[in-house]
Amino acid sequence: GAVVSQHPSRVICKSGTSVKIECRSLDFQATTMFWYRQFPKQSLMLMATSNEGSKATYEQGVEKDKFLINHASLTLSTLTVTSAHPEDSSFYICSAKAGIYNEQFFGPGTRLTVL
Amino acid sequence: GEDVEQSLFLSVREGDSSVINCTYTDSSSTYLYWYKQEPGAGLQLLTYIFSNMDMKQDQRLTVLLNKKDKHLSLRIADTQTGDSAIYFCAESFHSGGYQKVTFGIGTKLQVIP
Repeated sequence: GAVVSQHPSRVICKSGTSVKIECRSLDFQATTMFWYRQFPKQSLMLMATSNEGSKATYEQGVEKDKFLINHASLTLSTLTVTSAHPEDSSFYICSAKAGIYNEQFFGPGTRLTVL
Repeated sequence: GEDVEQSLFLSVREGDSSVINCTYTDSSSTYLYWYKQEPGAGLQLLTYIFSNMDMKQDQRLTVLLNKKDKHLSLRIADTQTGDSAIYFCAESFHSGGYQKVTFGIGTKLQVIP
């Protein structure tokens, strides 16, 4: 099956710093990548959808200047949390979809803790 | 908007069958999915069903879809302790030219030895 990786798996940072999370599709070309956020005991919330080479489409309520998404290639998308604050602490999960597949393949997630 | 609902918790004894239920609201959904999330891990796709199907069986897993009632269920036969996890129901649909997925809150399955 298709494999999606995320790096780092865990990150702890100080308030005010920026953190970059990478999402890679390892054995397929991802035409579309999705970024989700999961709060404790809650479901996944879609943050944004990105297509390779174009700007990301953000969901309502998600600050695009705070959560910068870059989908520079068909195998890599990055999410940068700028000027992170403790309330940004969460589990961030990416998924990737290839044009020939109808399902999304999820990465293992990144646990962000902002002190 | 689209909404997916599922119960929060289910407890079963090892060897019994587990049935996790889910309801959704979007009648234009294309695929419905079941994902498994083990503690501290990401999501693992267990199975999915196309919206024009009624049933899909995959080894110990059986998915039933009642499109009229917008009800989806996942049955795990001979439940094992390794099946303890959170199970998310999700539906996909097209919006604004993209495929989007809405998830339920997840059902925590506890398997008692």
